[in-house]
Amino acid sequence: DAGVTQSPTHLIKTRGQQVTLRCSPISGHKSVSWYQQVLGQGPQFIFQYYEKEERGRGNFPDRFSARQFPNYSSELNVNALLLGDSALYLCASSSDTNNEQFFGPGTRLTVL
Amino acid sequence: QKEVEQNSGPLSVPEGAIASLNCTYSDRVSQSFFWYRQYSGKSPELIMSIYSNGDKEDGRFTAQLNKASQYVSLLIRDSQPSDSATYLCAGYSGYSTLTFGKGTMLLVSP
Repeated sequence: DAGVTQSPTHLIKTRGQQVTLRCSPISGHKSVSWYQQVLGQGPQFIFQYYEKEERGRGNFPDRFSARQFPNYSSELNVNALLLGDSALYLCASSSDTNNEQFFGPGTRLTVL
Repeated sequence: QKEVEQNSGPLSVPEGAIASLNCTYSDRVSQSFFWYRQYSGKSPELIMSIYSNGDKEDGRFTAQLNKASQYVSLLIRDSQPSDSATYLCAGYSGYSTLTFGKGTMLLVSP
């Protein structure tokens, strides 16, 4: 079975621009979570969506937004990019039966 | 106190030895815990989940949870150079928020 997929793999943007990252969960998983990981730190929770509804939000500014589609795929949008937004953005999916989260390969965002 | 704390390491062990990785957590974190392995430049890979007090074994890996001491550990037996990675401890703080420690770097020397 295919795991969590994310696109694009890498992305370079300049300050002030906007970016959209995409994620497809493991087949059968209805929950998608987004994380930001900067070098030397563990992943930091941004959002969780379940059945198209936001279930949780981390301590991130309103420049960060997300949505989930009927097929359970998800997008993370970041507006007005700052240098500090440079990070690895991770998507994870989980099933209804337990709360284990499985990560995709991530999107490496560089803001210049 | 941070919600999930780990020693950043590096923890260096010789090949074949037992590697012991430790994690402490605050009252804000629930009793479900996870260990992830992350190779440099890659995403985290789930290797162990533990939900109840005691030990859970899976192959060369043993996870231990001590709720009274708010302590989670991961033992890796017969460590191999391929085990060299950063190990992340995580637990739920709130219904949906999986909170991670900073990770411990493990180096296994041949």
